[in-house]
Amino acid sequence: AQSVTQLDSQVPVFEEAPVELRCNYSSSVSVYLFWYVQYPNQGLQLLLKYLSGSTLVKGINGFEAEFNKSQTSFHLRKPSVHISDTAEYFCAVSGSGSARQLTFGSGTQLTVLP
Amino acid sequence: DADVTQTPRNRITKTGKRIMLECSQTKGHDRMYWYRQDPGLGLQLIYYSFDVKDINKGEISDGYSVSRQAQAKFSLSLESAIPNQTALYFCATSDTKGPPNEQFFGPGTRLTVL
Repeated sequence: AQSVTQLDSQVPVFEEAPVELRCNYSSSVSVYLFWYVQYPNQGLQLLLKYLSGSTLVKGINGFEAEFNKSQTSFHLRKPSVHISDTAEYFCAVSGSGSARQLTFGSGTQLTVLP
Repeated sequence: DADVTQTPRNRITKTGKRIMLECSQTKGHDRMYWYRQDPGLGLQLIYYSFDVKDINKGEISDGYSVSRQAQAKFSLSLESAIPNQTALYFCATSDTKGPPNEQFFGPGTRLTVL
């Protein structure tokens, strides 16, 4: 079994400031890791994913995340946020292999303040 | 554009009524999923289907049933709706031939059971 913990349910930050959204997971097998974003009244959209290879992955809209196996973490970062980044962000994990289900964290609401 | 669509987008119903939520996709993906989203809980998997003849229960299937009418259509039914089924419901798809476990989401159906 696997689980995902997003430690911060809400993160307020001022525009143009850096932000880090934290995600920790637990799993007894190798994992794939994902970050999704949900804008108001919309479905989830994939931001980035880690499947293998380089532990630093870059996604859309200037976001990046680093897979840290020893700390079982996959924190999401952006060096300078915009008002338009206001959304809810979900971390998700699956076991490696194509027939594995996604387990989602509880989400982090990022609010960018002017 | 290839897409995942859900109907209806909003539904208010009464306790005891039978409700069907529909999902269609034009992505050509073989796998389809139903999730519910509750505030502070992230997404929980209700049912998933790897092809038309393969239906599997997720973590919270009690009170729900599904039908995979075709590769492109996957419906979720609440046989006798109850108030604690009030939630946001998402359909998602993935492709066996694509990046493992990467899922694409519809816009969601907001269901209220009075």
